[in-house]
Amino acid sequence: TQLLEQSPQFLSIQEGENLTVYCNSSSVFSSLQWYRQEPGEGPVLLVTVVTGGEVKKLKRLTFQFGDARKDSSLHITAAQPGDTGLYLCAGPPSAGNMLTFGGGTRLMVKP
Amino acid sequence: NAGVMQNPRHLVRRRGQEARLRCSPMKGHSHVYWYRQLPEEGLKFMVYLQKENIIDESGMPKERFSAEFPKEGPSILRIQQVVRGDSAAYFCASSLGTGGNNEQFFGPGTRLTVL
Repeated sequence: TQLLEQSPQFLSIQEGENLTVYCNSSSVFSSLQWYRQEPGEGPVLLVTVVTGGEVKKLKRLTFQFGDARKDSSLHITAAQPGDTGLYLCAGPPSAGNMLTFGGGTRLMVKP
Repeated sequence: NAGVMQNPRHLVRRRGQEARLRCSPMKGHSHVYWYRQLPEEGLKFMVYLQKENIIDESGMPKERFSAEFPKEGPSILRIQQVVRGDSAAYFCASSLGTGGNNEQFFGPGTRLTVL
């Protein structure tokens, strides 16, 4: 079973601070996706990283895929209260088309 | 272009009743996935379907749970004789194709409460 572990599980910071969320596995993934989920809603796809070492930027969010394609990180610069939510990483296992999800990081940004 | 649609958004059932959850994929998507999210837990894969076919049901309990994606109409996840442990949020996702790079888009979910 290919597992994805996210850290930290919970993060509470002040508006304007920077933060990094990690997604790690002992297995290689062909791609990793990052989602953001708000209470009562479904996960919303933020980005897909495919190539080892790839870096993608989405406004204040920077996503990186590890060289060995076993890990990924999400860095948020100057966090805002609107960034509050559950951040999930997910990837397709070697066999199958479904997604394996990490446990998520609950981020709270206080004004 | 409408996203993935699920209904109902909230469903309350008593123990022993049946629950039917519906999912309409994004336009043009023929691959549907069902996931379950228990309170304070991550999403867990249940079943993957294409039109009229179950491709992978390895994450779905063998008893009381079934899924279909008919030629016409939405995909349906059916839970018979519900128990309290079935209370969870059930999410449907769809994708355009398959393969490691194929992105899945999620619906808003159905929150099932079993009394």
